[in-house]
Amino acid sequence: EADIYQTPRYLVIGTGKKITLECSQTMGHDKMYWYQQDPGMELHLIHYSYGVNSTEKGDLSSESTVSRIRTEHFPLTLESARPSHTSQYLCASSEYLGTGNEQYFGPGTRLTVT
Amino acid sequence: ILNVEQSPQSLHVQEGDSTNFTCSFPSSNFYALHWYRWETAKSPEALFVMTLNGDEKKKGRISATLNTKEGYSYLYIKGSQPEDSATYLCAFHTNSGYALNFGKGTSLLVTP
Repeated sequence: EADIYQTPRYLVIGTGKKITLECSQTMGHDKMYWYQQDPGMELHLIHYSYGVNSTEKGDLSSESTVSRIRTEHFPLTLESARPSHTSQYLCASSEYLGTGNEQYFGPGTRLTVT
Repeated sequence: ILNVEQSPQSLHVQEGDSTNFTCSFPSSNFYALHWYRWETAKSPEALFVMTLNGDEKKKGRISATLNTKEGYSYLYIKGSQPEDSATYLCAFHTNSGYALNFGKGTSLLVTP
């Protein structure tokens, strides 16, 4: 089983609150990713990181921000939550491209903004 | 965002039935094709990562094939069991980055 953790698993919060979704991995992977999945839709990449102090935006535009100060930690922050941010957020990591870039996923955070 | 199509969207089979799903993806700039199994309330789990045209991979009762020239992959489950119930995700990876492009998945329900 992959060693990648996400907290909280479920979060219900009011509009305007600041939220940080935590993601940690103990595999020493350089590459980490955040995916968003709206109900009935595909997983879409919103952020990724190639290593410490490296962050890039993904294919799907997001108002969230990320940071990568330590290899093992890749938190996602929403400064002011809105109902449109209601979704499931999955964090993943991978080792290197040579093996086809198999990604290891956390269990996800299901966010509801009221 | 690259378009990955999976069919069927959902499937309900009886225990012991064999079944298969399809994943279609753009054939240009191909790097790898991934299959994941995602059980409710758990993390998506990688089943197969395939990179070569004609690849066939097998894990127990589950196997997958890959055709990169025509842009499709099949996932087969032989003798389905209730524990196979999950959503099966296909994801396509180009050679220009690390992002996986996912399909919507096939939701499989196996009843005793």
